[in-house]
Amino acid sequence: DVKVTQSSRYLVKRTGEKVFLECVQDMDHENMFWYRQDPGLGLRLIYFSYDVKMKEKGDIPEGYSVSREKKERFSLILESASTNQTSMYLCASMFNLPDTQYFGPGTRLTVL
Amino acid sequence: QKEVEQNSGPLSVPEGAIASLNCTYSDRGSQSFFWYRQYSGKSPELIMFIYSNGDKEDGRFTAQLNKASQYVSLLIRDSQPSDSATYLCAVKGANTGNQFYFGTGTSLTVIP
Repeated sequence: DVKVTQSSRYLVKRTGEKVFLECVQDMDHENMFWYRQDPGLGLRLIYFSYDVKMKEKGDIPEGYSVSREKKERFSLILESASTNQTSMYLCASMFNLPDTQYFGPGTRLTVL
Repeated sequence: QKEVEQNSGPLSVPEGAIASLNCTYSDRGSQSFFWYRQYSGKSPELIMFIYSNGDKEDGRFTAQLNKASQYVSLLIRDSQPSDSATYLCAVKGANTGNQFYFGTGTSLTVIP
């Protein structure tokens, strides 16, 4: 079974803090993704990575950065957290083929 | 225009009935289509994927794809209360590398 894990299920941070969200997959997938999910807006892609040290911006990269130093690990960084970044953050991974994504359990981030 | 559109619902069906969920997409060149189920507070779970026009069946689930109409649907036969969830349609972009676009989801309630 594919396993995608995320470092925290719930996280509370203060405005201006630097926040790290970690995602680890155990299936040797080439691709990893970070989404945020908000009511009425669905899943929106923040960044994805198709290889170690490679990254591509998604639809809403502003205020975020990512790091992929090892194939199994993809980190999302909020450089200076703001209240509008309060959301559910979902990590996913997949092979190139078949192109089916597997999601981690999610991190519900609250920025006060 | 949104890339992927779904009726948000809620859709209610009695136990044992057929639930029909619909999705339209805007990128005519898209080749990969997915249905995910998401229980409240949980992450999306893959139900089915479909690549070719026509029907694809897996147990009580049938995915239907019509590329000419840019339409994909999910039928759930013999609906069970445990099928009550939000169903997300996802489409892989044609010329966007591995970027996926998600609909906002349809909420399904199966009434015992």
